[in-house]
Amino acid sequence: EVQLVESGGGLVQPGGSLRLSCAASGFTFSSYWMSWVRQAPGKGLEWVANIKQDGSEKYYVDSVKGRFTISRDNAKNSLYLQMNSLRAEDTAVYYCARGDTAMDRYGMDVWGQGTTVTVSS
Amino acid sequence: DIQMTQSPSSLSASVGDRVTITCRASQSISSYLNWYQQKPGKAPMLLIYAASTLQGGVPSRFSGSGSGTDFTLTISSLQPEDFATYYCQQSYSSPLTFGGGTKVEIK
Repeated sequence: EVQLVESGGGLVQPGGSLRLSCAASGFTFSSYWMSWVRQAPGKGLEWVANIKQDGSEKYYVDSVKGRFTISRDNAKNSLYLQMNSLRAEDTAVYYCARGDTAMDRYGMDVWGQGTTVTVSS
Repeated sequence: DIQMTQSPSSLSASVGDRVTITCRASQSISSYLNWYQQKPGKAPMLLIYAASTLQGGVPSRFSGSGSGTDFTLTISSLQPEDFATYYCQQSYSSPLTFGGGTKVEIK
């Protein structure tokens, strides 16, 4: 079964750090672009970052540039999001999602269940 | 950044109705437009990619059209399980951006 399972969410104080993980199974992880997408409480979807199959290309939404780092370990079939200098506005459910095998142009077809990040004092 | 504008933001419809949701990009995105369905408390699900290609397993009552800046998602005959929020997303250039969503509610 194709599956993505996120972990690492929790409550953190403003200015703190958190590392999210996403474990992939049931497909050849190293063949796919991967993304993080978040959803603040009661709000819409916001794409956060994506990473190419070999990790050579990474892209971010402006609001997290310089604070968040996306990475992957293809040997461990895992995707990561290191989040530093967290702000209240980073509070959201964070999803990892599978892109495609080409240029990440054809949508995100597999999603995890999400992990909740709450930034509050 | 490319802005995606969906309309309406919400609509009420009855089972069996034909429903159309529109999505407009702030610049041409060719056909790099995807549609998702999200139900409360659940992860989004890909319905359509490349503007008009139905994702495997998605019922044929869903269809997509458009290119350039204007796109539509159509549900030909609304079913009870279709009440949800729908999002468009452009994949033409980073940052990838979503529309604000359209909530389809029961009339």
